[in-house]
Amino acid sequence: EVQLVQSGAEVKKPGESLRISCQGSGYSFTNFWITWVRQMPGKGLEWMGRINPSDSYSNYSPSFQGHVTFSLDRTISTAYLQWSSLKASDSAMYYCARHSRPNSDFDSWGQGTLVTVSS
Amino acid sequence: EIVLTQSPGTLSLSPGERATLSCRASQSVSSNYLAWYQQKPGQAPRLLIYGASSRATGIPDRFTCSGSGTDFALTISRLEPEDFAVYYCQQYLTTPFTFGPGTKVDIK
Repeated sequence: EVQLVQSGAEVKKPGESLRISCQGSGYSFTNFWITWVRQMPGKGLEWMGRINPSDSYSNYSPSFQGHVTFSLDRTISTAYLQWSSLKASDSAMYYCARHSRPNSDFDSWGQGTLVTVSS
Repeated sequence: EIVLTQSPGTLSLSPGERATLSCRASQSVSSNYLAWYQQKPGQAPRLLIYGASSRATGIPDRFTCSGSGTDFALTISRLEPEDFAVYYCQQYLTTPFTFGPGTKVDIK
């Protein structure tokens, strides 16, 4: 069974750094791109960008370019989303999802990681 | 960037009724690079439809899609209690991939 398991909820202060994780199982991790999606409280879904686990190539949405970084640890089939300096406006639920093919739909989703940034 | 517009914003219907949700793109989503997702409160989204008309694994046949180019529709033939949720369309033709704002289907 394909599963994406995300790390737990985080509470941080503005200016702090953060890295959240998404561990894949039940499939060959390096064969499927991982995408990241933001959902702010009570709002819709926003595509942040994606990373190719086979070569670490990343696409970022212009809305998120320069503010977040995607990375990987192939040895543990894990993708990461990180911030170097959080803002209150980063408070949201973050989902990872797997592309079924390189330019394709997202066929499996993590359970989400809630990030709260507050002073 | 391809902008997706969904209508209506909210659809209030009773179980057993038919629901028709619309998704319009600002430019052609050729080769039907369009998907639909369902999201229930407190849950992650779930893939319903890909390639504009193909149901994902385990999705019942009461969910059907039609359309091409810039206009797409998701139809739920007879609403079951578990179908009351928010539905998002999404294009994956070009990056940045984009989602529509969603249509909430709630119980009348």
